[in-house]
Order: sequence, then C-alpha cells, then structure tokens
Amino acid sequence: GQNIDQPTEMTATEGAIVQINCTYQTSGFNGLFWYQQHAGEAPTFLSYNVLDGLEEKGRFSSFLSRSKGYSYLLLKELQMKDSASYLCAVGNNDMRFGAGTRLTVKP
Amino acid sequence: EAGVVQSPRYKIIEKKQPVAFWCNPISGHNTLYWYRQNLGQGPELLIRYENEEAVDDSQLPKDRFSAERLKGVDSTLKIQPAELGDSAVYLCASSGLAGDSYNEQFFGPGTRLTVL
Repeated sequence: GQNIDQPTEMTATEGAIVQINCTYQTSGFNGLFWYQQHAGEAPTFLSYNVLDGLEEKGRFSSFLSRSKGYSYLLLKELQMKDSASYLCAVGNNDMRFGAGTRLTVKP
Repeated sequence: EAGVVQSPRYKIIEKKQPVAFWCNPISGHNTLYWYRQNLGQGPELLIRYENEEAVDDSQLPKDRFSAERLKGVDSTLKIQPAELGDSAVYLCASSGLAGDSYNEQFFGPGTRLTVL
C-alpha cells in the first residue's frame, strides 16, 4: 500500500518563498508528481521526479529523496494566484494522491 | 487541442436513483482514469483503462459502480443505486502518448455529484 502525508494547510505572504513537504511510504516507486488544484477546478500537472535531486521549472522546483521517502515543492516569488491546493502523488499509471496542502497567499 | 471533456458538470439526484457520467479523453490517449475526490481530499483512483481493457479496478465498489470504455475512446461511469456517501467530484483523466517517459495525466473539469 501507499501512505502519503503532507500538511493540511499553509499560509505565506506574496513575494515570499514557501516549501510544501510530502513524505510517502510505498511498496513500489515509479515516480513522484506534484499537481496544483484551484478550488472547484481540476488538478493540473506541475512536476515529476523519479531520480533524487532537484527539478526546477520557473518559479516552481521539486525535490526528491527516495531513500528518505521525502519530497518537497518549492514556490518562489509567491503570487496571489498561487493560492490553491498542492497535491503530492506517488506512482505512475497507478498513481495515488495525498490529501493535498491548501496554500493561502496573503498580500 | 481539446482537453478532457466531461459531462454533466453538475448532477443532483435523490438517493437510490441511478446516475451516469461521461468522459471523452484527449485524442490519442490510450489510458483513461476515473477518480473520485471528496471534499478536502486528494483524488482516489476508481478504475484505469488501457484502451478498452480495465487493467485496475481494485478500488471500484462493484456492487453499485460500473464503467465501460467501448471502442477504447469515450467512457461512462455509472452508479446504481446512488447513496448519500457517493456525493463527491468524479474526475476523468487521460494519459499516454507513445514514447512518453512518464504518464502525465490530464484531468477533465469533473462532475460534481450531490446525492440528497
């Protein structure tokens, strides 16, 4: 089975940096995904890590440590539109999602 | 390019009634997923299709839920009879162009089901 844990809620200030952590336990590992989901909308893909290390994509970066079962999503230069839920998911075709972290960006 | 299409967007029914959801995946995507998302939770996989074959339906409550993907394109998910606890957003996703190293899933807008 798979257990995926991430904080329920986080708050940050516009222009700041925020790190959203995700820990997982899985019987098999095919990769780790981060998705963004605005309220009432569908999840949209942000990043994918399969090897240890940092993947950078604009203001968003994602880090993976397979030995520790740990990942984080780093959001830089926060904007109000970044207020959303961020979902950590493990697997590939058999992807399992965490409950999501609701991020609120304040002025 | 059109994204994943789902209908209806919203559905309100009384308990014990049947309900069906429809999904049209992105053209050329051979893998189709149905998820259920409860409020404040992440999506939970119900069933995954590779073309017209259901390859993972271990989380589908088969006593009341059924799904089909005739011809390996469109798919329908049915609940009969619906129960109060089925109120949720039902998301369809597709993935799988040839040569992809990983299967980025593209989600449709979902169907919000309310069972009264």
